[in-house]
Amino acid sequence: ETGVTQTPRHLVMGMTNKKSLKCEQHLGHNAMYWYKQSAKKPLELMFVYSLEERVENNSVPSRFSPECPNSSHLFLHLHTLQPEDSALYLCASSQDPAVESNQPQHFGDGTRLSIL
Amino acid sequence: TQLLEQSPQFLSIQEGENLTVYCNSSSVFSSLQWYRQEPGEGPVLLVTVVTGGEVKKLKRLTFQFGDARKDSSLHITAAQPGDTGLYLCAGGPTDSWGKLQFGAGTQVVVTP
Repeated sequence: ETGVTQTPRHLVMGMTNKKSLKCEQHLGHNAMYWYKQSAKKPLELMFVYSLEERVENNSVPSRFSPECPNSSHLFLHLHTLQPEDSALYLCASSQDPAVESNQPQHFGDGTRLSIL
Repeated sequence: TQLLEQSPQFLSIQEGENLTVYCNSSSVFSSLQWYRQEPGEGPVLLVTVVTGGEVKKLKRLTFQFGDARKDSSLHITAAQPGDTGLYLCAGGPTDSWGKLQFGAGTQVVVTP
């Protein structure tokens, strides 16, 4: 039990589909993150939310749209994805990083996304 | 951009052997975190080192932060199959807000 739950675990979709990834944390944290993990590449930070406000957007294409309705839930809405978007998408949470930048991050087990 | 390079990319050893993996950068970090990721799971934090020259031990794992806070190493003594996984280092920034910079990882396989 990691305290961070991601659904679905696997997702196969066509390039014209719309789908959403969900992340829920039960750790009382107030910062949440989306990362993209591709084989043999460093984790790429996509979005950071602190206290439900987006504080980081690392030049991610607009076909990825995050949503954070409260400090426990984070969504990643997907639309018109490309084959190169196939990857493992990881959600993480931590205490507010603005307080202390060395906060450890707690990860979910990810959603394995395949674009046909 | 602060880049973290991990070496080797892949390491396969027999149970009982020792191994060391490295995490290097040309930039200074405020801290260095090590994570282990097993197949089908997310990364799990092993340790955080924050002081230059710091050494931390976690059972058979020894972590060291370089004096200049630019590099770190992870040494595993008498490796076991349960140590198999992707080892990731992540540097805490000195000039950015809350962002960790991850390396690409070292895949370690320990065979019985």
